[in-house]
Amino acid sequence: DTAVSQTPKYLVTQMGNDKSIKCEQNLGHDTMYWYKQDSKKFLKIMFSYNNKELIINETVPNRFSPKSPDKAHLNLHINSLELGDSAVYFCASSAGQVRELFFGEGSRLTVL
Amino acid sequence: GESVGLHLPTLSVQEGDNSIINCAYSNSASDYFIWYKQESGKGPQFIIDIRSNMDKRQGQRVTVLLNKTVKHLSLQIAATQPGDSAVYFCAENSHRDDKIIFGKGTRLHILP
Repeated sequence: DTAVSQTPKYLVTQMGNDKSIKCEQNLGHDTMYWYKQDSKKFLKIMFSYNNKELIINETVPNRFSPKSPDKAHLNLHINSLELGDSAVYFCASSAGQVRELFFGEGSRLTVL
Repeated sequence: GESVGLHLPTLSVQEGDNSIINCAYSNSASDYFIWYKQESGKGPQFIIDIRSNMDKRQGQRVTVLLNKTVKHLSLQIAATQPGDSAVYFCAENSHRDDKIIFGKGTRLHILP
């Protein structure tokens, strides 16, 4: 059983399009995150939700909109995609100990 | 050796030798320091953490050392195996921010 699963694993799209990445965790965790990893492997936090409420928004452009329908799901919708959005997006979750994150396998987004 | 510019710093170690991966941090207010391992095509995975009031912590085949005077963190891997080949990230967590900030990664390459 996959603990944190993301779909799709790969996404290739044109500039200006809108796309979504879905994430689900079956660990019973209250907190979920989106991280962006660029081509230099740098991992940067984008958003965090605790029990469906937004608690961290790291100055991400308004084109990125997370949505948490319930505490087991955190989806990421991106409008008007730009070349610079190309990256691997990781979903993660945590229980009480924030320092131990459980990551999904990543969704590689390529904007042409 | 270490490469600069766009490339990830790389440490090459002979199989069976010990590996030492270093990290400098900047936030003196962090409560925990953490090491993550990211294998190719996968999400980062928690290895070990250390609280800021400690200077050493041991796990299975891994030891983390914290030197707060010079803001330095290291991960020592004993008897390095091919399965240790990955990118290793140090990270920080402060209970004030309730998030994990990742540092730059180091690629560990195992020589046969």
